[in-house]
Amino acid sequence: EAGVTQFPSHSVIEKGQTVTLRCDPISGHDNLYWYRRVMGKEIKFLLHFVKESKQDESGMPNNRFLAERTGGTYSTLKVQPAELEDSGVYFCASSQGRGAYSPLHFGNGTRLTVT
Amino acid sequence: AQSVTQLGSHVSVSEGALVLLRCNYSSSVPPYLFWYVQYPNQGLQLLLKYTSAATLVKGINGFEAEFKKSETSFHLTKPSAHMSDAAEYFCAVTGYSGGGADGLTFGKGTHLIIQP
Repeated sequence: EAGVTQFPSHSVIEKGQTVTLRCDPISGHDNLYWYRRVMGKEIKFLLHFVKESKQDESGMPNNRFLAERTGGTYSTLKVQPAELEDSGVYFCASSQGRGAYSPLHFGNGTRLTVT
Repeated sequence: AQSVTQLGSHVSVSEGALVLLRCNYSSSVPPYLFWYVQYPNQGLQLLLKYTSAATLVKGINGFEAEFKKSETSFHLTKPSAHMSDAAEYFCAVTGYSGGGADGLTFGKGTHLIIQP
């Protein structure tokens, strides 16, 4: 089966610009998660979709971040306007079920650099 | 709330030597614990997980970890390091039990360096 796909793999933008990251989960996986790793820090949870609904968005940093999952398939994460502190690696993960008994499958991440 | 502490951002061992990566957790509910590995330019891959069954958990590539509730630890070990084990390793915890949030809380990661 195809894994979790993230696009682009790298993005370099200027402060104030807009960037949209895309994640294609494994087909049939209802659960989709976004995580972020800022340089030198932990990987932090951003939000969780179950199908097209946001189950938990407690990790979203602020209202400059907007995540969508139209139709319950792929997801996008938009940052508008981007700030320097948004630089980091953004990971997407998907799973069939929830909790510890349903393993997360991670994409390779999108490395975002804001200059 | 949960938290994870990984002791040592870099651990260096000789090829063939014992690998020990330390992880201590804090959780207000019974935890589920995980070790993930990330090879360069790749996503995170699950090595093993503890889900309240056996306290000694065996994973892929010869790794294992032991859950010790009294020490709130979940250290990762491998008897004999191989060059291909060089990667970054992450310990993670969730307290999900069927309701509410189930996002993982990660440690800062440990780079494992294998000396020839």
